[in-house]
Amino acid sequence: QQKVQQSPESLTVSEGAMASLNCTFSDRSSDNFRWYRQHSGKGLEVLVSIFSDGEKEEGSFTAHLNRASLHVFLHIREPQPSDSALYLCAVMSNYNVLYFGSGTKLTVEP
Amino acid sequence: GGIITQTPKFLIGQEGQKLTLKCQQNFNHDTMYWYRQDSGKGLRLIYYSITENDLQKGDLSEGYDASREKKSSFSLTVTSAQKNEMAVFLCASSIAEGWGAETLYFGSGTRLTVL
Repeated sequence: QQKVQQSPESLTVSEGAMASLNCTFSDRSSDNFRWYRQHSGKGLEVLVSIFSDGEKEEGSFTAHLNRASLHVFLHIREPQPSDSALYLCAVMSNYNVLYFGSGTKLTVEP
Repeated sequence: GGIITQTPKFLIGQEGQKLTLKCQQNFNHDTMYWYRQDSGKGLRLIYYSITENDLQKGDLSEGYDASREKKSSFSLTVTSAQKNEMAVFLCASSIAEGWGAETLYFGSGTRLTVL
């Protein structure tokens, strides 16, 4: 069974400073990872999907996957207060089942 | 385009009560899922179904039953509501294989409050 963990639980950064979020998973054979964002009281928004080791950039979001170390990172370039939200890492398994981490609450201060 | 409809949007129950949440999709998707999200936390898988009449348990299936009597609908029953079950329940669907198979579409959720 896939186990997904995220750190830190909460993160506060200043506007414009890079934010880095960490996600670890348990199954090294996994090949489908994504990061979601969820503003308070709202639905899930897919930010970036990544399927092979290395980096994948989507706008100001960059995912970095290293399956050997069981890590997938999300870097947010020049975050704005509007980027304050819950960030969720998800790993896809058989039958397209997504296993989610517990989330990182990001606060971007002006 | 299709849509996932979850009913009701808000559900208030009494502790110990049996409660049913419903989900309908018109995508003609094969696979459907039920997740639970506690406030400010990630999503946890309760049940999923890869086809009509199929049920697969997720990590959080204890205390829940599910039913997939039609391809388009997937219902979830809380067998005995507990106060710590106040959460949002999210339904999702996807096609089984082929182009677009890895995209999950989520409903807007049912918010459960147990008094």
